[in-house]
Amino acid sequence: ETGVTQTPRHLVMGMTNKKSLKCEQHLGHNAMYWYKQSAKKPLELMFVYNFKEQTENNSVPSRFSPECPNSSHLFLHLHTLQPEDSALYLCASSQERGISNQPQHFGDGTRLSIL
Amino acid sequence: KNQVEQSPQSLIILEGKNCTLQCNYTVSPFSNLRWYKQDTGRGPVSLTIMTFSENTKSNGRYTATLDADTKQSSLHITASQLSDSASYICVVGTNNAGNMLTFGGGTRLMVKP
Repeated sequence: ETGVTQTPRHLVMGMTNKKSLKCEQHLGHNAMYWYKQSAKKPLELMFVYNFKEQTENNSVPSRFSPECPNSSHLFLHLHTLQPEDSALYLCASSQERGISNQPQHFGDGTRLSIL
Repeated sequence: KNQVEQSPQSLIILEGKNCTLQCNYTVSPFSNLRWYKQDTGRGPVSLTIMTFSENTKSNGRYTATLDADTKQSSLHITASQLSDSASYICVVGTNNAGNMLTFGGGTRLMVKP
């Protein structure tokens, strides 16, 4: 149990569907992150939230839309995705963005498949 | 460009044997180096974090070393167990704005009985 819970664990959707990924952390952290992990590629940072404010968007296509209603919850809204978006989407949290040497705690991810 | 290269890409060893995984990086300015273990179907779990001034850190049977001069790190696993089968990811952090992390592609380790 890492203290970071992601739902659903698996998701299959068509390219015209709209779905959302959810992440919840019970660690009292103030920074939350979305990563994409594709086969045989390093983790790619997508979005960063620090104290509920988005601080980074790493050139992510607009078909991915993050939402952070409070420091414990993070969502990733998906619409009109492409087959190349099939991947493992990982959520992570840390005490605070901007302080080095803190570990990031990861959830177990959502395995997303686009048909 | 910041990069983290890991070798080998995959490794098979027998249970009880030791192994060493390598990580070379070109990340600047350097702040810290982390090793994560990722079991199949799970998220990465932190094993060690080392700063510039640390050259070794242990976590049970896992020992990480850091040579900041040559920009190399290694993760040594002692007396391997079947549960050590996983991907091991090297991550290097900077101390500039945002404390950006650069991830390696990982080494996939399989421990066989």
